[in-house]
Amino acid sequence: KNEVEQSPQNLTAQEGEFITINCSYSVGISALHWLQQHPGGGIVSLFMLSSGKKKHGRLIATINIQEKHSSLHITASHPRDSAVYICAVRPSLGGATNKLIFGTGTLLAVQP
Amino acid sequence: DTGVSQNPRHKITKRGQNVTFRCDPISEHNRLYWYRQTLGQGPEFLTYFQNEAQLEKSRLLSDRFSAERPKGSFSTLEIQRTEQGDSAMYLCASSLAGGPYFEQFFGPGTRLTVL
Repeated sequence: KNEVEQSPQNLTAQEGEFITINCSYSVGISALHWLQQHPGGGIVSLFMLSSGKKKHGRLIATINIQEKHSSLHITASHPRDSAVYICAVRPSLGGATNKLIFGTGTLLAVQP
Repeated sequence: DTGVSQNPRHKITKRGQNVTFRCDPISEHNRLYWYRQTLGQGPEFLTYFQNEAQLEKSRLLSDRFSAERPKGSFSTLEIQRTEQGDSAMYLCASSLAGGPYFEQFFGPGTRLTVL
């Protein structure tokens, strides 16, 4: 079982829809990242959070440390939001490395 | 552009050949990470440098893999005697040291195809 699980693995939405991607993890963490990856492209960091909620434009990320769960929401989705969204955690027992453990990603396709 | 850069962006090679990738981190970042991402999977940690010191290597990093960061700035990842299973996207990231709430900035990746 992966230490970081995402759902759904694939998501197709119509333009304008509200989208939610979920991430559950099984280790204690000091931070959680939401990342965006376009096909063939590099990874862009969307959020880094350790508690509560963050908002940037149409994107909202929440985290519940007790439940070991985070969600990424996209309001008023647009075709340019189509990408792979990856959840990654930094284990709190990871020592000085700060290496990240990644989920397998959620492939989002927003249709016009 | 002052972000993380990687070269080349794509590399096609024949099995058994050696390949070398380069990563240039954000200039003031003293930590540098290499990750590998195979198709349909999330990235996996390979190795990490703080300045010029390689402080941790994953078990994924076989003896055919070697990474260096000679002056604590750019880093190279070399794969000797490539195998088809080495085909993947190789990602580099950098961050500032210190504190638990660092943020890693990723490069565009080098996609390796071993024929």
